[in-house]
Amino acid sequence: QQQVKQSPQSLIVQKGGISIINCAYENTAFDYFPWYQQFPGKGPALLIAIRPDVSEKKEGRFTISFNKSAKQFSLHIMDSQPGDSATYFCAATYFGNEKLTFGTGTRLTIIP
Amino acid sequence: SQTIHQWPATLVQPVGSPLSLECTVEGTSNPNLYWYRQAAGRGLQLLFYSVGIGQISSEVPQNLSASRPQDRQFILSSKKLLLSDSGFYLCAWSVGQGATDTQYFGPGTRLTVL
Repeated sequence: QQQVKQSPQSLIVQKGGISIINCAYENTAFDYFPWYQQFPGKGPALLIAIRPDVSEKKEGRFTISFNKSAKQFSLHIMDSQPGDSATYFCAATYFGNEKLTFGTGTRLTIIP
Repeated sequence: SQTIHQWPATLVQPVGSPLSLECTVEGTSNPNLYWYRQAAGRGLQLLFYSVGIGQISSEVPQNLSASRPQDRQFILSSKKLLLSDSGFYLCAWSVGQGATDTQYFGPGTRLTVL
C-alpha cells in the first residue's frame, strides 16, 4: 500500500514535443506529491510538487495533473528541450510522515 | 545558505572490507537526515533516516548501519561489504515536520564492491 508505481521506465521525445510521465498510488493517506529531477551523476532535486486540494499545478513548462479519484498523478513537460534529458522520480507522502515513497524513475531523453 | 557534503565521491572496495561514508550539512539546525541507495538504473531505496542526534530509523537492516554523532553529521557504515552493496549512495536533508518538506540531496558517493 506504500508503493508508488511509475511509468514508463524510459521515454524518448523529440525536441519541442510533450513528455508525459505517469504515477499511481494506493495509500489514500498520501497528501503531498513531489517530482524530483536527477541528472547523471548528481543527486535528485525537487522540480515541482502538488497537494490534492488542486487538480493541476503549473510552473513554467512543467505541469502536474492530479486525479484524486483515480489515485493518479502525472508530469507533463511542454516544449521539451535537450536540457530536460534526465531521470524523473515521482514521490508521495503525508503530513507527519518522515519518509517519501519514490517511484522507480523514468529516464527521459529529448532528441533533436 | 545551506549546503550538503558527501565524501568520498567515488569508492572501490573489496568484498568483506569495512565501509564508512560521511555526510555533513551546513547552514541549518536540527535537520532530518536520510540515506538512500540507488542501484544502477533503479529507483531510490531509503536505507535510514534520522530526526535527531542518536535517533536512527532503519528501513533496510541488512549489513548496513547508520549513526548521527552530531546534529549535522550522518554516517553510513558496514563491517563487511557485499557485492550487492554496490550503488550510488545519496544523503539528503530536510527541515520541518517530515517528508512534506523538500528533501535536498547531496552529490552522492558511487560505491563499487569488487
